[in-house]
Formats: sequence, C-alpha cells, structure tokens
Amino acid sequence: DGGITQSPKYLFRKEGQNVTLSCEQNLNHDAMYWYRQDPGQGLRLIYYSQIVNDFQKGDIAEGYSVSREKKESFPLTVTSAQKNPTAFYLCASSWRGYTFGSGTRLTVV
Amino acid sequence: GESVGLHLPTLSVQEGDNSIINCAYSNSASDYFIWYKQESGKGPQFIIDIRSNMDKRQGQRVTVLLNKTVKHLSLQIAATQPGDSAVYFCADQSTGANSKLTFGKGITLSVRP
Repeated sequence: DGGITQSPKYLFRKEGQNVTLSCEQNLNHDAMYWYRQDPGQGLRLIYYSQIVNDFQKGDIAEGYSVSREKKESFPLTVTSAQKNPTAFYLCASSWRGYTFGSGTRLTVV
Repeated sequence: GESVGLHLPTLSVQEGDNSIINCAYSNSASDYFIWYKQESGKGPQFIIDIRSNMDKRQGQRVTVLLNKTVKHLSLQIAATQPGDSAVYFCADQSTGANSKLTFGKGITLSVRP
C-alpha cells in the first residue's frame, strides 16, 4: 500500500537535546512538507522540499533543520535552539493535494 | 500574502442534522480547493476536493460548494453522525511552480447525540 509513515508516534526530548523525526513516503511524490500543530491551532509550515537535495524555509523554520537526500525521505531535526518544541508534527507529501502522515507528538521533559 | 480563513472556530450540531462549514480564501489565483478532516491525535485526511472550473461537487454524504466571485468555499455534511466529530480544514492551491497548499485555521465540529 502506498502511504506516508512518520515515526516515532511519541517522542520525549530533554531540554538542550536535538531530536530527529522521521518521514518516509512510497507515493513517488516529489514534494514533501513539515508542519507544526499546537493544541487547538491550525497547521504552520516549517520546511518544504520540492525536489531531492533542495528545500526551503516555511513560516516557522527557526530552530529546525531538514535534509532531502532521497526522494522517499524528509527527516526533521528539532534543535536545542527551538525554545518551545512541544507540539504535534505532521509530515505530508504531494502531487496535487497533500497526503499526511499520522504525526509525531513531541514533548519536552 | 495569501491566506485561507474560517468564519467560525466551532460548530455544534444535532446528530442527524445537516452541517455546513464555511471558509473564505483570499488568493484569486487559487484554482484547487480541498477539505480535510482531522480526528484527535491523527493526521488530516482528505475528504473532497474541487477545481475552480466547477461550483459544486458531491461525494458520499458530503458536498463542496465553491463561489469564486466572493472567494468562498463550503462543506456540507448530510445527516451528521457522531463519527463526523473532528476538526475540518479547508485549503487552497494555485497553479504554477512551487505552489503550496494554504490551510485555514480549522473548525471543530461537535455532534450532539
């Protein structure tokens, strides 16, 4: 089955640590996206990539980094510079319209 | 910049009634529109889409209406069920290179038994 997989589902981070969220898709989509969602809020774009080895900042890129070495993979690193990382993170890929993963809930402990 | 907004943050309906969720968009170049449903703790799921050359499209129990003149999009859910309780997002996209979806803030639909 084609789809987009995010892992882990839950992630806990100590203050000062970097953590990496995984996003893999087998839909053969060129474009991939990372969004952040806070409770009761909408989706805010962190980073996106239209093609392998290229990516652009979204609206809230500070404190985050990404890589796009393979078409199937678009990992997101939440760095220690992100002061309020606790949120629900969603990855998506697109051809026309988006297919979303099931999300990763990150909590700072 | 372009933005997609929703008129109301919450909507409460009686089970069995019809629901109407409204959305306004601002980008006159948008030509593709989607409604997503997000259940608690899950990623958004595609419900229905519509292209700008249409003004109405029907799915199973759902209908999307597009009014390009006033840049308004609506989602109608017939015979609302408890399983319809979720957050609903509208999104729009324009043609052209590097075009991204622009999402509305979301509206919570609560179905009363």
